[in-house]
Parts: sequence; C-alpha cells; structure tokens
Amino acid sequence: DVKVTQSSRYLVKRTGEKVFLECVQDMDHENMFWYRQDPGLGLRLIYFSYDVKMKEKGDIPEGYSVSREKKERFSLILESASTNQTSMYLCAGGAGGVYEQYFGPGTRLTVT
Amino acid sequence: GQQLNQSPQSMFIQEGEDVSMNCTSSSIFNTWLWYKQDPGEGPVLLIALYKAGELTSNGRLTAQFGITRKDSFLNISASIPSDVGIYFCAGQDTGANSKLTFGKGITLSVRP
Repeated sequence: DVKVTQSSRYLVKRTGEKVFLECVQDMDHENMFWYRQDPGLGLRLIYFSYDVKMKEKGDIPEGYSVSREKKERFSLILESASTNQTSMYLCAGGAGGVYEQYFGPGTRLTVT
Repeated sequence: GQQLNQSPQSMFIQEGEDVSMNCTSSSIFNTWLWYKQDPGEGPVLLIALYKAGELTSNGRLTAQFGITRKDSFLNISASIPSDVGIYFCAGQDTGANSKLTFGKGITLSVRP
C-alpha cells in the first residue's frame, strides 16, 4: 500500500511565526505536491516537485516556499504565517510519468 | 486555467439507492481520476481512467471516461452509510505533466 504521512494532523500557530509542514512518502515516487483546501474553493496547488532539489510554483505560491532535500520528503514552509493561511493542507505523491496522486491525511492549520 | 465542473454541490439519497455524478470540462483530458474524502481526512483514490470510453469498476463503484474526453461519470450502486463523503473528480490534460485539475467536489449524504 502506498503511504504518505504528514507530521501533524492539527497545528495552531500565531501570526508572524515561521511554520514547517512536513510530508514523507514511502513509495519512492518522484513527484510530490502541496495543496490547500478551503470550503467552496476546492483543492488548490501551492507547489510541486518532480525531483530532489527541484520545485515548481503551483497556482497559489505566494506566502509559501518548499524544500526537497531527499526524495521521500517534501516540506512546505510558511515564512511568516498570516490568518488567511488558516486552512487544510494536503500533501500528495505520485510516480513519474503517471498521473495518480496519493494523498496524506492532511494538516489542519489555524493561524491566530 | 482549466476547470472541472461538478454539480450539484450536495446530494442526498436514501440508503440502498444508486447515485450517479458527473464531471465536465470545456477542454479535453487524457486521464480522469475519482477520489473520495471522508471528513477530516485526505482524499483517497477510487478509480483511474486512461482511455476514452473506458468503463472501470471498483466494488459498488463504476466510472466511465466519456467518449468526447470532456467528461466522466461515477456511479455508486446500493449506497450504504459509509458512502458519505465528498467525491472529487480530477483530470490531467496534455500539457500539464503530472499536475491534476480538480473539481470542487460533491458532498454525498446517505439517509439510513
């Protein structure tokens, strides 16, 4: 079974804090993705990566950065958290050349 | 950008009934995926479709890749209470590498 894990299920942070969301996949997949999910807006792609040390902006990258130092780990960084970044964050992994993505359980982040 | 349309936003059915939901696009997609998301969890891949006209089943679920390549359908037969959740369609077009476009989802409620 494919497995994507996220470091926290729930997180509460203060405005201005630097926040790290970690994602690990055990599938040896090349592709990894970060999405945020908000009511009425669906899933929106923040950043993705097709290989180690490689990253590409998705549809809403502003206020976020990512790091992929190892193939199995893809981190999402909020440099200075703001209340409008309160959301459900979902990480996904997928094999290179195919389009199926497998999601982690999500991190519900609240910024106060 | 690309958009996938799912409607209605919510569906309410009686336990034991069949339900059908569709997903449409204004442009052609090469791959269609259907996901289910339980409350507070990440989406789980149900069915993947790769060829126009393809009909694929997974237990009580059946999905079809539309002939025009601009739509896909998901049918759930003999619904049960655990079918409750949000059903998302996702598609991949020719120019998007492994990126997916997601519909906003349909929330299914099943009355016992």
